[in-house]
Amino acid sequence: DTEVTQTPKHLVMGMTNKKSLKCEQHMGHRAMYWYKQKAKKPPELMFVYSYEKLSINESVPSRFSPECPNSSLLNLHLHALQPEDSALYLCASSQGIGSGANVLTFGAGSRLTVL
Amino acid sequence: GQNIDQPTEMTATEGAIVQINCTYQTSGFNGLFWYQQHAGEAPTFLSYNVLDGLEEKGRFSSFLSRSKGYSYLLLKELQMKDSASYLCAVTDSNYQLIWGAGTKLIIKP
Repeated sequence: DTEVTQTPKHLVMGMTNKKSLKCEQHMGHRAMYWYKQKAKKPPELMFVYSYEKLSINESVPSRFSPECPNSSLLNLHLHALQPEDSALYLCASSQGIGSGANVLTFGAGSRLTVL
Repeated sequence: GQNIDQPTEMTATEGAIVQINCTYQTSGFNGLFWYQQHAGEAPTFLSYNVLDGLEEKGRFSSFLSRSKGYSYLLLKELQMKDSASYLCAVTDSNYQLIWGAGTKLIIKP
């Protein structure tokens, strides 16, 4: 299995809603990532988990809350989002961190629209 | 600061060859990646260079010159499905991945 699976593919939510994005990989990768990508922009790193521990938080607002229940799963909990948070949210995994050769395998993304 | 430059957009003809350049100034260097991203889809890994020289993989090749802070991605025998954005990314001294803004490649028949 060489895939990263993300659900849902599309999500529309109001500013008062609480929702979650889910990500799963079964490649035995020990690092998992959340990226945010706006149209015509490169991916922007949000969080990195290494061995199920949060290792990088790129000063992301607290309305985004990551969770790593186990080495295969990564969630992103969303609460009180703003319209400018509308974007493609990409989950990725790699064998580890701390190496220049870490190839990222991305999921297909969750397209989020905040009304 | 850290900076990666690549052209915003390029156009090429089906069957031809195109070279997409990437220059970088980063705090340290631990490798350079090229990813392909079709519109509305996730990036997919194309190549990785850490030593100077050319890495060939089928129709795609990637070149690196560390002394010049320069890489290119060469695509041969272009096909319509190669229309996509091509992202250059560099791993810096802290093993953080720094992304370029991407080059949108348009293939015309």
